[in-house]
Amino acid sequence: EVQLVESGGGLVQPGRSLRLACLGSGFTVGDYAMSWVRQAPGKGLEWIGFIRSNTYGGTTDYAASVKGRFTISRDESKSIAYLQMNSLKTEDTAMYFCTRDPVVVPPAESWAYYYYMDVWGKGTTVIVSS
Amino acid sequence: SRVLTQPPSVSVAPGKTATITCGGDSIGSKNVHWYQQKPGEAPVLVLYHDTDRPSGIPERFSGSNSGNTATLTISRVEAGDEADYYCQVWDGYSDQYVFGSGTKVTV
Repeated sequence: EVQLVESGGGLVQPGRSLRLACLGSGFTVGDYAMSWVRQAPGKGLEWIGFIRSNTYGGTTDYAASVKGRFTISRDESKSIAYLQMNSLKTEDTAMYFCTRDPVVVPPAESWAYYYYMDVWGKGTTVIVSS
Repeated sequence: SRVLTQPPSVSVAPGKTATITCGGDSIGSKNVHWYQQKPGEAPVLVLYHDTDRPSGIPERFSGSNSGNTATLTISRVEAGDEADYYCQVWDGYSDQYVFGSGTKVTV
């Protein structure tokens, strides 16, 4: 069974750092892109960043709201994707989900590739407060 | 940046059909995905590539996408369909995901 399990959440003071982990099982984490998505209390879903599969260089992209503060990485030997969060702000308080993201590349239109999120973890809660 | 607009809420009687829209500039040229999130749970993919259902998703869930509007249709609505629904696209120009604002479906 394909599964994602997040961990590492908790209460942290503004300005401090926290690292979340996402353990994948039932698949090879390097074969897929993996995203982090957050949801502030009572709010909608916000994509914050992802790491591409090894096929696509394992490069990363981030939402503007976290770029320069958050970093996504992956340890294939442990089947874990990480979200390193620095300079945390109160507005980073949220449930954080990781996802597995297949990529679809249309044969005749490779430029029209797209991703979607087919598996989600249950999430881990981050509270940023003094 | 791309914006996806959803109605905040949709109310539907059991057994009837719920229609949830997702508006965006030329969204018909994109592949739209839909996620269902029940209270206290993680989102679940219910449709991808506009109309495709993952394994385990009932045929009652269907979709369409044309022009500036994508639509998720839930036929023969059941009490268990009560949830928040989010549309999503991949923006290849900026290499970013965009989520809609979400629609709360009340049965």
